[in-house]
Amino acid sequence: SQELEQSPQSLIVQEGKNLTINCTSSKTLYGLYWYKQKYGEGLIFLMMLQKGGEEKSHEKITAKLDEKKQQSSLHITASQPSHAGIYLCGAGGTSYGKLTFGQGTILTVHP
Amino acid sequence: DAGITQSPRHKVTETGTPVTLRCHQTENHRYMYWYRQDPGHGLRLIHYSYGVKDTDKGEVSDGYSVSRSKTEDFLLTLESATSSQTSVYFCAIAGTSGRDTDTQYFGPGTRLTVL
Repeated sequence: SQELEQSPQSLIVQEGKNLTINCTSSKTLYGLYWYKQKYGEGLIFLMMLQKGGEEKSHEKITAKLDEKKQQSSLHITASQPSHAGIYLCGAGGTSYGKLTFGQGTILTVHP
Repeated sequence: DAGITQSPRHKVTETGTPVTLRCHQTENHRYMYWYRQDPGHGLRLIHYSYGVKDTDKGEVSDGYSVSRSKTEDFLLTLESATSSQTSVYFCAIAGTSGRDTDTQYFGPGTRLTVL
């Protein structure tokens, strides 16, 4: 079965700083999803990557899937308190759209 | 928003009692999923459905059953709740195009405590 490892597990940054979260897979990724979760709430879809080398951006968040399709990174530029939360990566590529998730990265942004 | 609700949002119950959680969608999505979220484990798939009356097990299905008698509702039942089932439960939906790569959209979650 596929396993996803996220690093770091938690991250504390000062507002305005850049940061990167990594998601490494034990197998080739055929669809990689990034979600954000605020405490006590559901997951919000951020973006999905499928092709090796693909890069997508949404506001100040950029996600990349490496050429070998076994790692993805999520980069936040000029972080803000609104970016705080739990970031989860999910791997697809199996039947019926099932996803396997990483354990999540807890991001704290101090004003 | 994907038009997905979960009920109840919070529940406290005692060991050995049956519990049913409901997921309701208004989007006519084909696929529906139940996950549990626990510290250090991310989200783990319990059961999923790929159509009315079509369901299958996920990676942590022991102690849980599901039913889907109509497109919009997916029920998760704990036949006899145990303390190890204390968790936050999320429902997700997908499948506007019928492809396996359709994005999953999540409900707000149900926090279940088993005493």
